Amino acid sequence: EVQLVESGGGLVQPGRSLRLSCTASGFTFGDYAMSWVRQAPGKGLEWVGFIRSKAYGGTTEYAASVKGRFTISRDDSKSIAYLQMNSLKTEDTAVYYCTRDPRNVVGVDMFDYWGQGTLVTVSS
Amino acid sequence: AIQMTQSPSSLSASVGDRVTITCRASQGIRNDLGWYQQKPGKAPKLLIYAASSLQSGVPSRFSGSGSGTDFTLTISSLQPEDFATYYCLQDYNYPFTFGQGTRLEIK
Repeated sequence: EVQLVESGGGLVQPGRSLRLSCTASGFTFGDYAMSWVRQAPGKGLEWVGFIRSKAYGGTTEYAASVKGRFTISRDDSKSIAYLQMNSLKTEDTAVYYCTRDPRNVVGVDMFDYWGQGTLVTVSS
Repeated sequence: AIQMTQSPSSLSASVGDRVTITCRASQGIRNDLGWYQQKPGKAPKLLIYAASSLQSGVPSRFSGSGSGTDFTLTISSLQPEDFATYYCLQDYNYPFTFGQGTRLEIK
């Protein structure tokens, strides 16, 4: 069974950093691209960023709102994707979801599995 | 960035109704579009990918169509469990962008 479990959320002051983890199981993690999506309280979904599988360079893409502040990385030996968030702002307050993208397996982008989400609150 | 405009933003319907939600892209995105369902307090769920392909396990009353800039999600006969918020997502280029969502409520 495919599972994605996010962790690392919590309350953090503006300007500080936080690292989220997404621990995967039930599939060959290294074969898949991974994305992060967030949802501010009462708002819609916002794509945050993406990391390709190592076979496709392991490179990343980001939304303009987080570019230069957030970094996505992966540890295929541990089946974990990370979201390093620096210089946090109050507007980064949201539930953060990790998602699996099977583009390299089926040739089509989609977010076919999602974690349960972890809440990040940025407040003084 | 490509803008995705969903309509309507909210919709009231009854069990058994046929419902259509539309999504318009600010530029052509071929068929690189997915539809997601989200219930309160839950993670989104993939319904449709590549504009018209039904994700495994999703009931056949859900269907998607469109290409280029105009897309639709149709629910042929609403069931009680379908009342939720629906989002489109373009995955044609970066940054990927979601529509603003359509909240489907019980009439």
